[in-house]
Amino acid sequence: QVQLQESGPGLVKPSETLSLTCTVSGDSISIYYWSWIRQPPGKGLEWLGYIYHSGTTRYNPSLKSRVAISVDTSKNKFSLRLNSVTAADTAVYYCARLPGAGTFFDTWGQGTLVAVSS
Amino acid sequence: SYELTQPPSVSVSPGQTASISCSGEKLGDKNVSWYRQKPGQSPLLVIYRDNKRPSGVPARFSGSNSGNTATLTISGTQALDEADYSCQAWDNSIGFFGTGTRLTVL
Repeated sequence: QVQLQESGPGLVKPSETLSLTCTVSGDSISIYYWSWIRQPPGKGLEWLGYIYHSGTTRYNPSLKSRVAISVDTSKNKFSLRLNSVTAADTAVYYCARLPGAGTFFDTWGQGTLVAVSS
Repeated sequence: SYELTQPPSVSVSPGQTASISCSGEKLGDKNVSWYRQKPGQSPLLVIYRDNKRPSGVPARFSGSNSGNTATLTISGTQALDEADYSCQAWDNSIGFFGTGTRLTVL
């Protein structure tokens, strides 16, 4: 059974870069699409982007090119980088699996809270 | 930007049927998925491709999608179904989630 685990700093300073990693276990990362989704406290879910093992990516244009997702197939991990963060980027960040581009999120990580504060 | 609108809250009595709507322009032309999220937990897929149930999701969960509205229906609602529910769809390869609905089982 596939499991996803997010990891990374829980606190980031304003204007700096948020970096998170999602480790995939129980399945090969070279089969599915992999995504990042976030949820500000008390608010709804926001899709950030996805990546395929080939490196093909798609991002939410609302993030205005601040976001980048990369994959390391040798370590079965994929990562999120969000630069120039502000307090509005404070959220629980989830990684999730998609069976294909534009499908659905069938497996989610437990989520990790990232606060942006000085 | 594409918008998916849900009612903020829905209440239902135990054993009754709960219906949660999700509205968006020409939503019936897209595939909709639904997620349940309990406090402190990550979302769980309960419906995909409008009306398909993942393995392990009870048969009391069903979905439909037509016109501008998708609907998640929970028949014989149980106390353990109390949670936040969000719809999701894609528009021009960009993922959008609904505003979310809190289901209360009174």
